[in-house]
Amino acid sequence: SQTIHQWPATLVQPVGSPLSLECTVEGTSNPNLYWYRQAAGRGLQLLFYSVGIGQISSEVPQNLSASRPQDRQFILSSKKLLLSDSGFYLCAWSVNPGQGGTEAFFGQGTRLTVV
Amino acid sequence: AQTVTQSQPEMSVQEAETVTLSCTYDTSESDYYLFWYKQPPSRQMILVIRQEAYKQQNATENRFSVNFQKAAKSFSLKISDSQLGDAAMYFCAYRVNDMRFGAGTRLTVKP
Repeated sequence: SQTIHQWPATLVQPVGSPLSLECTVEGTSNPNLYWYRQAAGRGLQLLFYSVGIGQISSEVPQNLSASRPQDRQFILSSKKLLLSDSGFYLCAWSVNPGQGGTEAFFGQGTRLTVV
Repeated sequence: AQTVTQSQPEMSVQEAETVTLSCTYDTSESDYYLFWYKQPPSRQMILVIRQEAYKQQNATENRFSVNFQKAAKSFSLKISDSQLGDAAMYFCAYRVNDMRFGAGTRLTVKP
C-alpha cells in the first residue's frame, strides 16, 4: 500500500534562517506531488506541483522553492524565512489522471512558526 | 485559472439533522474531478466523496451525498443524520491536472 511521510511535524525557526521540509512517498511510482500552505483557519493554497523529476510548476512567486531530486521525494526550501512564511504546510501525492487516479493523499503536515 | 468558491465560512447543524455545504467552481474544461475533503482538529485531510464530471449520477457515500450541477458549476455536499464526529473543516476541491481547494467551511454539530 502507498504511504506518504512528511517531516518534521513542528518547526520553529527565526526570521532569516533557511528552511527544508521533506516529503517522501512509498508504494507507487511517478506520483504527482504537491506542496500546499494553509494559514490559520484558511484554505489550502497550492505552492508547487510536480509531475516528474525536474518538472515543477510554481503557483506563488515568493521566497520558497521546491525540488524533486528523486521520483518519490519532494523538498520545500527557503534561503531566508519571513514572518509571513508561518503556517501549516501539507505535502500530497496523487496518481496522474491519465492513469486513472483522481484524489490526492496527504501527509500529516508541518506546523511552521517563524519568530 | 480555475477557482473554487465556498461561500459559507461557517455552518451549524443539530445532531441527527441534515446540512448542505455549498461549492461553486470556475472552469473552461469539460472533464475534471471534484472532491470534498474533511479536516478534523488533527488537521489530517480525509477524502469524503468524489465526483467525476463525466458522470451525471450524483455520488453517494453512506450519509454523504453530493448535488452536482455541471452547467451551473455547482457541487454541494449534503450530510444526513449529522453526528458529533462530523464537526470539522470541509474543503471543496477541483482537479484537472493539479488540485485546487476552496477556502473551507467550518461545520459545528450541536448535541
